[in-house]
Amino acid sequence: GAGVSQTPSNKVTEKGKYVELRCDPISGHTALYWYRQSLGQGPEFLIYFQGTGAADDSGLPNDRFFAVRPEGSVSTLKIQRTERGDSAVYLCASSLTLRTAQYFGPGTRLTVL
Amino acid sequence: GIQVEQSPPDLILQEGANSTLRCNFSDSVNNLQWFHQNPWGQLINLFYIPSGTKQNGRLSATTVATERYSLLYISSSQTTDSGVYFCACREDSNYQLIWGAGTKLIIKP
Repeated sequence: GAGVSQTPSNKVTEKGKYVELRCDPISGHTALYWYRQSLGQGPEFLIYFQGTGAADDSGLPNDRFFAVRPEGSVSTLKIQRTERGDSAVYLCASSLTLRTAQYFGPGTRLTVL
Repeated sequence: GIQVEQSPPDLILQEGANSTLRCNFSDSVNNLQWFHQNPWGQLINLFYIPSGTKQNGRLSATTVATERYSLLYISSSQTTDSGVYFCACREDSNYQLIWGAGTKLIIKP
């Protein structure tokens, strides 16, 4: 079946702009996670959802970052007033339940100029 | 929180060689996954292995939960095995994955 998909694959924006990154999880997966990965490092947790609610948003770096999952499927990560330090690959993962393996999408490479 | 350490950080081998990658974790875990990140950045699931031994073709993994380590074995390496191998763990108290720094593997033809 289809895996996790993310759009766009690449996003270039200017400092101060607003961006939205989309994640489509594997059908039927109730848990959805966002991570970000900087060059040469392992992924860093941002937030995860169980159903529609954000169960843990402790990894969001500040209040410029926000994520939603209104219908318990697709999720959008929103970044306001982007800064150059936000440049990274943003990864989305989903799992059947919170206690099963996580499967990752291809990521969105965000570049803030 | 839990700490995850991987070794070695870098490994360069000739095609056909075997290798062992290690992951140590500092506390009990209820999930451990091995991933291969290919040169295009895609994270590919290799194993979901909180305990025990699994094999998939040339790859196998063993997790000894009581001793807090996991090993990934790659036999008869191919150039397509090149990339970064990550170990990621989830502790009992939450559901986020905590990642090691990875092992960068280069297989030379």
